[in-house]
Amino acid sequence: NAGVTQTPKFQVLKTGQSMTLQCAQDMNHEYMSWYRQDPGMGLRLIHYSVGAGITDQGEVPNGYNVSRSTTEDFPLRLLSAAPSQTSVYFCASSLWGGETQYFGPGTRLLVL
Amino acid sequence: DAKTTQPTSMDCAEGRAANLPCNHSTISGNEYVYWYRQIHSQGPQYIIHGLKNNETNEMASLIITEDRKSSTLILPHATLRDTAVYYCIGKAANNAGNMLTFGGGTRLMVKP
Repeated sequence: NAGVTQTPKFQVLKTGQSMTLQCAQDMNHEYMSWYRQDPGMGLRLIHYSVGAGITDQGEVPNGYNVSRSTTEDFPLRLLSAAPSQTSVYFCASSLWGGETQYFGPGTRLLVL
Repeated sequence: DAKTTQPTSMDCAEGRAANLPCNHSTISGNEYVYWYRQIHSQGPQYIIHGLKNNETNEMASLIITEDRKSSTLILPHATLRDTAVYYCIGKAANNAGNMLTFGGGTRLMVKP
């Protein structure tokens, strides 16, 4: 199993540009989520999904959209990038709500 | 979910046991204590979790006090590769989004 994969590893955007961060898992996990981690800080939940077709907002959802058309994939879309969205983004998955979570390697995003 | 308090940083000699404390005095009866760690620039990694009883796995041991107000993560023979930030997290099973609330964590430095 590849586990949780994320692409790209690094990305530089200009203010106002849009992009999609990709996340995929091959463990047949129902739960998937996106976190962001600002320098020196803990992770904060952006959006999550409890299964295909179902998504909900986390702690810091503004400026981001998600969709879950398949069990495997959970892309995160930045609609109009802002410098405040400069961060490291982690995708995670788990089998069910009470289970441990598996994290991807992260995407480092710089918005100029 | 319970708020946790951890020391900001700790040092440990290579080969010795690393004992990382965590206070979670507001933990409720259905909340588990989870430990994750984050090695520099990587995604968080699950270590261990428990509810009431002490737990041990191939990575670590978790000692939870009888009143469940605190716990200690023990790495029995720390290696240089255990240098990381360790997060203690109180989480109810099946909370919304399976969200993990990351605090500041303990930065463990394992020294030769």
